[in-house]
Amino acid sequence: DIQMIQSPSSLSANVGDRVTITCQAGQAINSYLNWYQQKSGKAPRLLIYAAVHLQAGVPSRFSATASETHFTLTINNIQPEDAAIYYCQQYDYVPFTFGPGTKVELK
Amino acid sequence: QVQLVQSGAEVKMPGASVKLPCQAFGYSFTNFYMHWVRQAPGQGPEWLGIITPDDGSTSYSPKFQGRVLITRDRATNTVYMELDGLKSDDTAVYYCARGVPEYTGWPNFDYWGQGAQVTVSS
Repeated sequence: DIQMIQSPSSLSANVGDRVTITCQAGQAINSYLNWYQQKSGKAPRLLIYAAVHLQAGVPSRFSATASETHFTLTINNIQPEDAAIYYCQQYDYVPFTFGPGTKVELK
Repeated sequence: QVQLVQSGAEVKMPGASVKLPCQAFGYSFTNFYMHWVRQAPGQGPEWLGIITPDDGSTSYSPKFQGRVLITRDRATNTVYMELDGLKSDDTAVYYCARGVPEYTGWPNFDYWGQGAQVTVSS
């Protein structure tokens, strides 16, 4: 299985800050990577697909970058509604695997 | 609009089986894959398997191979996930999610069902 490592495991930010979450894949995954936002009791919400593409309806303050195995999600001008857990997921190799998550809290 | 509708909560005894439906609305059922993903309490999501509704072909996570069966009913646009030999650590919320071939470059896992809680307890 391809291991996905996320960092940090949690962070606390002020409204308006820029926040960056990283995800490292255990091997090259051809940019077949998703980023999700999950709030308590809800299904994951797709934010970014194919490593860098913003899903329809997602605010433009979310963006992402990618290299062969290193991926980042950035939230610019973070808002109170962005408090959630964020997961990366590779879908290049079965079994498709998720990172352990990054909990984002707002001060 | 696209909707994936799942059933309500289930409580099962250890060793039992559970069969969960996921009914699709608002798109062409046979043009998209369907994934199943579960999430145990306080844990990250875990992928179980995928079905191609058009021809019924499947692929499963090796962790669940032999214990999971994903099927579909094209007449009702419904995908089913059956998990056998339930154990306490199968307690989780089970989700279905719409998928596409990764080479299309289209959004994958773009729509999710609301989830079905499965509790395994004696």
